[in-house]
Amino acid sequence: NAGVTQTPKFRILKIGQSMTLQCTQDMNHNYMYWYRQDPGMGLKLIYYSVGAGITDKGEVPNGYNVSRSTTEDFPLRLELAAPSQTSVYFCASSMTSNTEAFFGQGTRLTVV
Amino acid sequence: AQTVTQSQPEMSVQEAETVTLSCTYDTSENNYYLFWYKQPPSRQMILVIRQEAYKQQNATENRFSVNFQKAAKSFSLKISDSQLGDTAMYFCATNSNSGYALNFGKGTSLLVTP
Repeated sequence: NAGVTQTPKFRILKIGQSMTLQCTQDMNHNYMYWYRQDPGMGLKLIYYSVGAGITDKGEVPNGYNVSRSTTEDFPLRLELAAPSQTSVYFCASSMTSNTEAFFGQGTRLTVV
Repeated sequence: AQTVTQSQPEMSVQEAETVTLSCTYDTSENNYYLFWYKQPPSRQMILVIRQEAYKQQNATENRFSVNFQKAAKSFSLKISDSQLGDTAMYFCATNSNSGYALNFGKGTSLLVTP
Protein backbone atom coordinates (compact mmCIF):
# COMPACT_ATOMS: atom_id res chain seq x y z
CA ASN A 1 0.00 0.00 0.00
CA ALA A 2 1.51 3.29 -1.10
CA GLY A 3 -0.65 5.56 1.10
CA VAL A 4 0.56 9.17 0.82
CA THR A 5 3.59 9.76 -1.37
CA GLN A 6 5.56 12.99 -1.27
CA THR A 7 8.40 14.03 -3.52
CA PRO A 8 11.14 15.10 -3.23
CA LYS A 9 12.45 14.02 0.18
CA PHE A 10 15.11 16.73 0.26
CA ARG A 11 15.64 19.95 -1.67
CA ILE A 12 17.89 22.98 -1.49
CA LEU A 13 16.60 26.16 -3.12
CA LYS A 14 18.19 29.50 -3.66
CA ILE A 15 16.36 32.62 -2.54
CA GLY A 16 13.86 33.65 -5.19
CA GLN A 17 13.60 30.27 -6.87
CA SER A 18 10.30 28.42 -7.21
CA MET A 19 9.40 24.78 -6.82
CA THR A 20 6.48 22.40 -6.46
CA LEU A 21 6.22 19.75 -3.78
CA GLN A 22 4.26 16.82 -5.11
CA CYS A 23 1.75 14.83 -3.05
CA THR A 24 -0.43 11.96 -4.14
CA GLN A 25 -2.60 9.52 -2.21
CA ASP A 26 -4.20 6.28 -3.33
CA MET A 27 -6.79 5.87 -0.56
CA ASN A 28 -9.55 7.89 -2.25
CA HIS A 29 -9.53 10.35 0.65
CA ASN A 30 -11.51 13.54 0.33
CA TYR A 31 -9.42 15.62 2.70
CA MET A 32 -5.83 16.57 2.01
CA TYR A 33 -3.49 18.87 3.90
CA TRP A 34 -0.13 20.54 3.80
CA TYR A 35 1.68 21.21 7.05
CA ARG A 36 5.06 22.66 7.84
CA GLN A 37 7.08 21.59 10.85
CA ASP A 38 9.61 23.93 12.38
CA PRO A 39 11.82 22.90 15.32
CA GLY A 40 9.95 23.13 18.62
CA MET A 41 6.81 24.44 16.95
CA GLY A 42 4.73 21.40 16.10
CA LEU A 43 2.92 21.23 12.77
CA LYS A 44 1.22 24.26 11.31
CA LEU A 45 -1.43 24.03 8.60
CA ILE A 46 -0.57 25.77 5.34
CA TYR A 47 -3.48 24.78 3.08
CA TYR A 48 -6.14 22.13 3.02
CA SER A 49 -8.66 20.70 0.60
CA VAL A 50 -11.96 18.98 1.27
CA GLY A 51 -12.31 17.60 -2.25
CA ALA A 52 -11.28 18.03 -5.85
CA GLY A 53 -11.58 21.64 -6.94
CA ILE A 54 -11.83 23.00 -3.38
CA THR A 55 -8.93 24.48 -1.46
CA ASP A 56 -8.65 26.84 1.48
CA LYS A 57 -6.01 28.61 3.52
CA GLY A 58 -4.75 27.31 6.81
CA GLU A 59 -2.82 29.10 9.52
CA VAL A 60 0.32 30.00 7.53
CA PRO A 61 -0.53 30.26 3.79
CA ASN A 62 1.63 33.24 2.79
CA GLY A 63 4.18 32.41 0.11
CA TYR A 64 2.43 29.21 -0.95
CA ASN A 65 -0.21 28.09 -3.41
CA VAL A 66 -2.04 24.81 -3.95
CA SER A 67 -4.36 23.18 -6.42
CA ARG A 68 -6.59 20.10 -6.30
CA SER A 69 -7.55 19.11 -9.80
CA THR A 70 -7.98 15.43 -8.87
CA THR A 71 -8.86 13.52 -5.70
CA GLU A 72 -5.40 11.93 -5.68
CA ASP A 73 -3.07 14.90 -6.10
CA PHE A 74 -2.47 17.99 -4.00
CA PRO A 75 0.72 19.82 -5.04
CA LEU A 76 2.15 22.71 -3.02
CA ARG A 77 3.81 25.52 -4.95
CA LEU A 78 6.44 27.82 -3.48
CA GLU A 79 6.93 31.04 -5.40
CA LEU A 80 9.98 33.23 -4.73
CA ALA A 81 11.47 31.07 -2.00
CA ALA A 82 12.61 32.84 1.16
CA PRO A 83 14.83 31.63 4.04
CA SER A 84 11.73 31.69 6.29
CA GLN A 85 10.38 28.81 4.22
CA THR A 86 13.18 26.53 5.35
CA SER A 87 11.23 23.76 7.06
CA VAL A 88 10.01 20.19 6.85
CA TYR A 89 6.80 19.90 4.85
CA PHE A 90 4.24 17.17 5.33
CA CYS A 91 1.35 16.22 3.13
CA ALA A 92 -1.48 14.26 4.72
CA SER A 93 -4.88 12.90 3.83
CA SER A 94 -7.94 11.61 5.63
CA MET A 95 -11.37 10.30 4.76
CA THR A 96 -13.11 12.90 6.91
CA SER A 97 -11.86 15.72 9.11
CA ASN A 98 -12.01 13.66 12.32
CA THR A 99 -10.65 10.31 11.21
CA GLU A 100 -7.03 9.23 11.17
CA ALA A 101 -4.79 11.37 9.00
CA PHE A 102 -2.14 9.54 7.01
CA PHE A 103 1.08 11.39 6.42
CA GLY A 104 3.71 11.35 3.74
CA GLN A 105 7.36 10.97 4.70
CA GLY A 106 8.02 14.68 4.58
CA THR A 107 10.20 16.98 2.50
CA ARG A 108 13.13 18.77 4.09
CA LEU A 109 13.48 22.08 2.28
CA THR A 110 16.38 24.46 2.79
CA VAL A 111 16.36 27.93 1.25
CA VAL A 112 19.79 29.56 1.05
CA ALA B 1 -10.24 27.84 17.23
CA GLN B 2 -8.70 24.97 19.15
CA THR B 3 -5.35 25.24 20.88
CA VAL B 4 -3.25 22.38 22.16
CA THR B 5 -0.60 22.67 24.87
CA GLN B 6 2.08 20.13 25.65
CA SER B 7 3.95 21.41 28.66
CA GLN B 8 6.80 18.86 28.64
CA PRO B 9 9.31 19.59 25.85
CA GLU B 10 11.46 16.59 26.81
CA MET B 11 11.03 13.47 28.90
CA SER B 12 13.11 10.42 29.65
CA VAL B 13 12.13 6.98 30.89
CA GLN B 14 13.95 3.72 31.45
CA GLU B 15 13.12 0.66 29.48
CA ALA B 16 10.17 -1.34 30.92
CA GLU B 17 9.02 1.62 33.02
CA THR B 18 5.83 3.65 32.58
CA VAL B 19 5.70 7.25 31.45
CA THR B 20 2.87 9.75 31.07
CA LEU B 21 2.88 12.58 28.56
CA SER B 22 0.63 15.56 29.25
CA CYS B 23 -1.67 17.43 26.91
CA THR B 24 -4.27 20.10 27.54
CA TYR B 25 -6.46 21.75 24.98
CA ASP B 26 -8.95 24.53 24.60
CA THR B 27 -12.08 24.24 22.52
CA SER B 28 -15.58 25.67 22.39
CA GLU B 29 -16.88 22.64 20.53
CA ASN B 30 -19.04 19.98 22.12
CA ASN B 31 -18.07 17.19 19.77
CA TYR B 32 -14.40 16.77 18.98
CA TYR B 33 -11.67 14.22 18.60
CA LEU B 34 -8.26 13.83 20.20
CA PHE B 35 -5.20 12.11 18.83
CA TRP B 36 -1.67 11.20 19.80
CA TYR B 37 0.82 10.90 16.97
CA LYS B 38 4.34 9.51 17.20
CA GLN B 39 7.20 10.80 15.07
CA PRO B 40 10.34 8.62 15.32
CA PRO B 41 13.69 9.76 13.93
CA SER B 42 12.58 8.48 10.51
CA ARG B 43 10.24 11.53 10.46
CA GLN B 44 7.18 9.43 9.64
CA MET B 45 4.02 10.53 11.52
CA ILE B 46 2.23 7.53 12.98
CA LEU B 47 -1.13 7.50 14.76
CA VAL B 48 -0.80 6.07 18.26
CA ILE B 49 -4.30 6.44 19.63
CA ARG B 50 -7.59 8.27 19.01
CA GLN B 51 -10.32 9.35 21.44
CA GLU B 52 -13.79 10.62 20.69
CA ALA B 53 -14.81 13.28 23.18
CA TYR B 54 -18.36 11.99 23.58
CA LYS B 55 -17.07 8.61 24.74
CA GLN B 56 -16.35 8.46 28.45
CA GLN B 57 -14.28 5.32 28.24
CA ASN B 58 -10.55 5.94 27.82
CA ALA B 59 -9.05 4.58 24.62
CA THR B 60 -6.43 1.84 24.84
CA GLU B 61 -4.09 0.40 22.21
CA ASN B 62 -1.86 -2.33 23.61
CA ARG B 63 0.77 -0.57 25.79
CA PHE B 64 -0.69 2.86 25.06
CA SER B 65 -3.64 4.30 26.94
CA VAL B 66 -5.08 7.73 27.56
CA ASN B 67 -6.47 9.52 30.56
CA PHE B 68 -9.18 11.72 29.11
CA GLN B 69 -10.60 14.32 31.51
CA LYS B 70 -13.19 16.24 29.52
CA ALA B 71 -14.08 18.81 32.16
CA ALA B 72 -10.41 19.62 32.71
CA LYS B 73 -9.71 19.48 28.94
CA SER B 74 -6.84 17.13 29.56
CA PHE B 75 -5.73 14.22 27.38
CA SER B 76 -2.60 12.51 28.68
CA LEU B 77 -0.87 9.51 27.10
CA LYS B 78 0.44 6.67 29.22
CA ILE B 79 3.05 4.34 27.79
CA SER B 80 3.49 1.14 29.78
CA ASP B 81 6.46 -1.20 29.59
CA SER B 82 8.43 1.37 27.59
CA GLN B 83 10.59 0.02 24.78
CA LEU B 84 13.60 1.52 23.05
CA GLY B 85 11.50 1.83 19.90
CA ASP B 86 9.18 4.23 21.71
CA THR B 87 11.88 6.90 21.48
CA ALA B 88 10.26 9.61 19.38
CA MET B 89 8.50 12.95 19.34
CA TYR B 90 4.91 12.67 20.49
CA PHE B 91 2.29 15.13 19.30
CA CYS B 92 -1.11 15.68 20.78
CA ALA B 93 -3.73 16.90 18.29
CA THR B 94 -7.39 17.79 18.21
CA ASN B 95 -10.11 18.25 15.64
CA SER B 96 -13.84 18.79 15.65
CA ASN B 97 -16.76 18.15 13.36
CA SER B 98 -16.77 21.80 12.36
CA GLY B 99 -13.01 21.86 11.90
CA TYR B 100 -11.17 20.86 8.78
CA ALA B 101 -7.78 19.79 9.99
CA LEU B 102 -5.84 18.67 13.00
CA ASN B 103 -4.44 21.24 15.43
CA PHE B 104 -1.15 20.07 16.90
CA GLY B 105 0.71 20.80 20.08
CA LYS B 106 4.43 21.56 19.98
CA GLY B 107 5.36 18.01 20.87
CA THR B 108 7.18 16.13 23.63
CA SER B 109 10.50 14.46 22.88
CA LEU B 110 10.61 11.10 24.65
CA LEU B 111 13.85 9.22 25.17
CA VAL B 112 13.74 5.62 26.34
CA THR B 113 17.03 4.52 27.88
CA PRO B 114 18.31 0.98 28.51
